[in-house]
Amino acid sequence: DGGITQSPKYLFRKEGQNVTLSCEQNLNHDAMYWYRQDPGQGLRLIYYSQIVNDFQKGDIAEGYSVSREKKESFPLTVTSAQKNPTAFYLCASSMREHSNQPQHFGDGTRLSIL
Amino acid sequence: AQSVAQPEDQVNVAEGNPLTVKCTYSVSGNPYLFWYVQYPNRGLQFLLKYITGDNLVKGSYGFEAEFNKSQTSFHLKKPSALVSDSALYFCAVRDRSEYSSASKIIFGSGTRLSIRP
Repeated sequence: DGGITQSPKYLFRKEGQNVTLSCEQNLNHDAMYWYRQDPGQGLRLIYYSQIVNDFQKGDIAEGYSVSREKKESFPLTVTSAQKNPTAFYLCASSMREHSNQPQHFGDGTRLSIL
Repeated sequence: AQSVAQPEDQVNVAEGNPLTVKCTYSVSGNPYLFWYVQYPNRGLQFLLKYITGDNLVKGSYGFEAEFNKSQTSFHLKKPSALVSDSALYFCAVRDRSEYSSASKIIFGSGTRLSIRP
């Protein structure tokens, strides 16, 4: 079955440490996205990529970095500069050419501070 | 600026009764509108969307939504609620004047639907 796989499901970060969240899709989608979800809030866009080797900052990119070396993969690094990283992180993908198409989501990674 | 409002943090309904989850939006042009559902510790699942045409859109699991342009609303409805419908529901909007599928999709803050047996 096609879909989006996020790993790990749970992740703990130590002070001053960078951590990387994995996102892989086999839907042949061009566009991929990272969102942060905090309790009582909607999804906030961190970064998005419309094509390999290209990505743009979303609304809350500070303290995060991404890469898009392959169409299938869009890893997110939470750097030590992100002072409040505890949240549920969701990766999504969509067909690039059709803005009326829904996004498909992975099952998320829950990041906590040790 | 685009925005989406879900005015109710929580909606409580008895099983078998009809349910409505409200959503209003503000965009500069004409919108694409979406509803998603999220179960605990899972990602969002697409329920339905409005693109054009009939104002009543039917989606997955017996849900439907009514687009009302004059009231800028897109309320989610179901004629008879099930306990298994209990989840977090998100409304989302994208201004169709934006060509790119990336960015510019705005999610509401979510409404927790609780169906009691």
